[in-house]
Formats: sequence, C-alpha cells, structure tokens
Amino acid sequence: AQKVTQAQTEISVVEKEDVTLDCVYETRDTTYYLFWYKQPPSGELVFLIRRNSFDEQNEISGRYSWNFQKSTSSFNFTITASQVVDSAVYFCALSEAENNFNKFYFGSGTKLNVKP
Amino acid sequence: DAGVIQSPRHEVTEMGQEVTLRCKPISGHDYLFWYRQTMMRGLELLIYFNNNVPIDDSGMPEDRFSAKMPNASFSTLKIQPSEPRDSAVYFCASSLPGLATYNEQFFGPGTRLTVL
Repeated sequence: AQKVTQAQTEISVVEKEDVTLDCVYETRDTTYYLFWYKQPPSGELVFLIRRNSFDEQNEISGRYSWNFQKSTSSFNFTITASQVVDSAVYFCALSEAENNFNKFYFGSGTKLNVKP
Repeated sequence: DAGVIQSPRHEVTEMGQEVTLRCKPISGHDYLFWYRQTMMRGLELLIYFNNNVPIDDSGMPEDRFSAKMPNASFSTLKIQPSEPRDSAVYFCASSLPGLATYNEQFFGPGTRLTVL
C-alpha cells in the first residue's frame, strides 16, 4: 500500500482560479511529519511547508494554505488565485521513525498547469 | 550560499558501463540523501547518510548500486554495470543536523541519466 497517495495526477486551471491538491497518508506512528515540496520545470524540489502530527492547525502563507486533518489522514494544499508561475509538480511527503529507522516517503506528485 | 551541487547534470552512457554521480551537500548539513525519480515509480529514497555514515540503504535496488561519502562535503552514487532500466533522474538532498524526520531537505538540481 502507498504510504502517501496523491490521487490527482494532473490538474489544469485557468489563472486566478483556486485549486486544491489532495494528499492522503498512511502511518501507524503517533509522531510523524508531513511536507509539501514544489518541483518547477527546472527540476529542483523546493520545500514549501512542514507539519508535525501534533499540530492540526491550518496554515496560510500568502496565496498558499494547508489543511491538515488527522481524522481523514489528509494534508491538502490549496492555492488561491493561481498564477502561471504556480505551474509545477507538487509532492506531498511523509517522514516517520519506523523500528528506530527514519523513513521518508513521497507521493507520486500532482502536476499543476496554470493557463493564462 | 551555494545549494546542493550535483554533477554531471546529464549523463548518457551505454549499457554495461560504469556511471558515477557526484554530490556536494550544503555546508553544515550532516544528512545526505540519494533519490531516484522515474515516471513509473516516482521519487524513491535509495540511501541516506548521517555524518558520512550510511544509515539506511534499504532502497538501493541491487548490488549494482553503491554509494559512498568519504567526507562531509562529497558523496558518490555508482552504478556498475549500468542497465537501460537505470535511466532516471537522480537527486541528492541534504538537511541540517538534528531530527532527520523533522528537517526539510534541500535538493540538488538532479542528474538525468540515460542508459542506452
């Protein structure tokens, strides 16, 4: 089973539309961390946000917001008023300690196309 | 400050040849990660080091793959002999000292490997 599932392979929106990228994770740990990374066409993954399992407070950073719900094991990412520069592949990731080993899992990514 | 540096950026080789990918982490980071990205399997963690010591190599696909970190500023990922199915983008990432599962990872630009 996938530890991190991003069911949306590709999404296309028109500039200024809002868009939500879904992420569902699976873990038995009580302590874990969730991340979102952005991979622009240049290829390098860029860190966007981290959430720990004990902090379900939603976060907003400019046009970006994140909704963490432990009850549904989801950590969704919303871009408000999307812009062409938001076009990229977005990855959700989970890190946890499993049998005293640190484990790092990435979802398959969601490609976001923002058209002018 | 320089980010994670990887070389070469592109590598084209023939099946059976040895391939060596190189990575220089960010100064002061003591975790180093090697990932492989393919369309079929997404982003997979191959191995990671802490203070130059390999901690978890369970993601290394087979004995043809080996990784070393002779000092804090240099790591190599070697494939010998290479096969067409090794074609992928290989990323190196590094993170700060402390809790590996907590700290965000800083990714290099990747090496696109094509094995003919």
